[in-house]
Amino acid sequence: AQSVTQPDIHITVSEGASLELRCNYSYGATPYLFWYVQSPGQGLQLLLKYFSGDTLVQGIKGFEAEFKRSQSSFNLRKPSVHWSDAAEYFCAVGPSSGTYKYIFGTGTRLKVLA
Amino acid sequence: GAGVSQSPRYKVAKRGQDVALRCDPISGHVSLFWYQQALGQGPEFLTYFQNEAQLDKSGLPSDRFFAERPEGSVSTLKIQRTQQEDSAVYLCASSPGPGKLFFGSGTQLSVL
Repeated sequence: AQSVTQPDIHITVSEGASLELRCNYSYGATPYLFWYVQSPGQGLQLLLKYFSGDTLVQGIKGFEAEFKRSQSSFNLRKPSVHWSDAAEYFCAVGPSSGTYKYIFGTGTRLKVLA
Repeated sequence: GAGVSQSPRYKVAKRGQDVALRCDPISGHVSLFWYQQALGQGPEFLTYFQNEAQLDKSGLPSDRFFAERPEGSVSTLKIQRTQQEDSAVYLCASSPGPGKLFFGSGTQLSVL
């Protein structure tokens, strides 16, 4: 079965601290992997995506994610968090060919302490 | 337009009313998706169109939910006889191909 698991519902970090959000997936074929961010009342904004090549991908706003095939993981990281990063973060998987539904995790809500 | 546009932005309905939610995808995008996002949850797949063809509607929660995209562009999600459990944000996304998915800001539906 296809699924995405984000084990941390809430994470709180201090401004300037490092951040890692976890994501594990189950998918039959090689998928596209995504991280989206959603601010309150807003739609989903793409942070970064991975399909192939270098397993460390860089995204917008200073975020990066590392794909680990052996662990079926695609964790999101940021070296130094800013107060404006407070939002909800969603990991997702999607088809690498053809068209089919994208599957999202339940999200991790990030709180940043000043 | 420049992005995916959804209207209305907010909709309040009395239980039992019918509602229609509109999605204007990015011009030229073949694929269109509807997702339902309950409070505190991730988006849940509802249905998918390729041009005007509805290829997957496995996520529609009941036969009260109906979606169409008659000309392969604008799509409408209709909910008949709304119930309180239908309260959620309904997100539309369009895609020109694999690995590219663009979301609208959503319609927040509140059923009283």
